[in-house]
Amino acid sequence: QVQLVESGGGVVQPGGSLRLSCVASGLTFTRAGMHWVRQAPGKGLQWVAFIRSDGSDQYYTDSVKGRFTISRDDSKNTLYLQMNSLRPEDTALYYCAKDKGTITFDYWGQGALVTVSS
Amino acid sequence: IVLTQSPGTLSLSPGEKATLSCRASQSVSSSYLAWFQQKAGQAPRLLIYESSIRATGIPDRFSGSGSGTDFTLTISRLEAEDFAVYYCQQYGSSPLYSFGQGTKLEIK
Repeated sequence: QVQLVESGGGVVQPGGSLRLSCVASGLTFTRAGMHWVRQAPGKGLQWVAFIRSDGSDQYYTDSVKGRFTISRDDSKNTLYLQMNSLRPEDTALYYCAKDKGTITFDYWGQGALVTVSS
Repeated sequence: IVLTQSPGTLSLSPGEKATLSCRASQSVSSSYLAWFQQKAGQAPRLLIYESSIRATGIPDRFSGSGSGTDFTLTISRLEAEDFAVYYCQQYGSSPLYSFGQGTKLEIK
């Protein structure tokens, strides 16, 4: 079965950096587009970033463009999210999710909590 | 595109029928509308994609319909495990993916 396990969350000061990882198993990772989706405490879902299966293209929501970078290491079945210049409004549970047909998300991890606070 | 879900909270009893609405600010291709269920402390789970296709393992009491700007998730006979928050999601317009604000389905 598909399993996605995030790690790397924590508490960071505003302006700081953090890198999230998501290790995938039970799927052919090289064929999977992958996303990051976040959920602020008590709030709804917000898509953050998408990387195609071959890594050729990356897409971001406007509020993180220029600050966050999505990448992948297919040799390690691992997805990354490098987050720089973090702001308090980036505080959220960050989920990695497998792409389904470029239109939605069919498998999700359990999330990594990022708290941006001084 | 902004997705607006209604009602915000729906209070029903097990065995009843639930009808959840998702309205888009602009027309959405029916191929690009999905529904998710999220229980407290859990990740979202894909229920419906392309407006009406049930995802793997989803019971047939869940059904989706709609087109253009109006989409509906229907749960024909509520079971105890169905009480959760439901989100609709669209693909295709800036932002590339967006979600509704959610409908909380609670036990009456």
